[in-house]
Amino acid sequence: EIVLTQSPATLSLSPGERATLSCRASQSVSSYLAWYQHKPGQAPRLLIYDASNRATGIPARFSGSGSGTDFTLTISSLEPEDFAVYYCQLRSNSITFGQGTRLEIK
Amino acid sequence: EVQLLESGGGLVQPGGSLRLSCSASGFTFASYDMRWVRQAPGKGLEWVSTVSGRGDKTAYADSVKGRFTISRDNSKNTVYLQMNTLRADDAAIYYCTKGIAGTYYLDYWGQGTLVTVSS
Repeated sequence: EIVLTQSPATLSLSPGERATLSCRASQSVSSYLAWYQHKPGQAPRLLIYDASNRATGIPARFSGSGSGTDFTLTISSLEPEDFAVYYCQLRSNSITFGQGTRLEIK
Repeated sequence: EVQLLESGGGLVQPGGSLRLSCSASGFTFASYDMRWVRQAPGKGLEWVSTVSGRGDKTAYADSVKGRFTISRDNSKNTVYLQMNTLRADDAAIYYCTKGIAGTYYLDYWGQGTLVTVSS
């Protein structure tokens, strides 16, 4: 079973700053990784799939990179609405998620 | 516009049962696998179950295997989750999700329905 480990658990930044979130897989997953944003009281939203492809309607400030075991979600300049919890997800039959990174306002 | 609307959540005693429903619209329902994902209070996202487009294949997380049953009625564009022998750790918001065709990525999510398990 492949395990996804996200870091940091919490990231405190200010609007306008750059955010870098990490997701590490316990073994190579090629580029089969997605990122989701989840705000309290809302449905999670798919941001990135296959490591680097933005989903429909996702702003260009969100980008994904990586392959193999190490992946990164970058938000180039934080907007107030970007503060949320972010999850990575493995493209597998068992739909494995990482434990999440909370992005909070500093 | 794709819409997923869950219903059926509520308060149930340990050992009890609930059936969740998810009504879908805005896409060719029978062409897509459907999945339930849950989030327990203070916890992350956890995949629960998957049903294939034709309803002939199902999969379950180990934590619910043997207690939960997923099914669908393509004539009603609805997917169900029958939950039996509920435990306190089944308490969660349950989300109905649609995947991108041919992948395991979840491009649409419902707003979720809350299941509370308590005596």
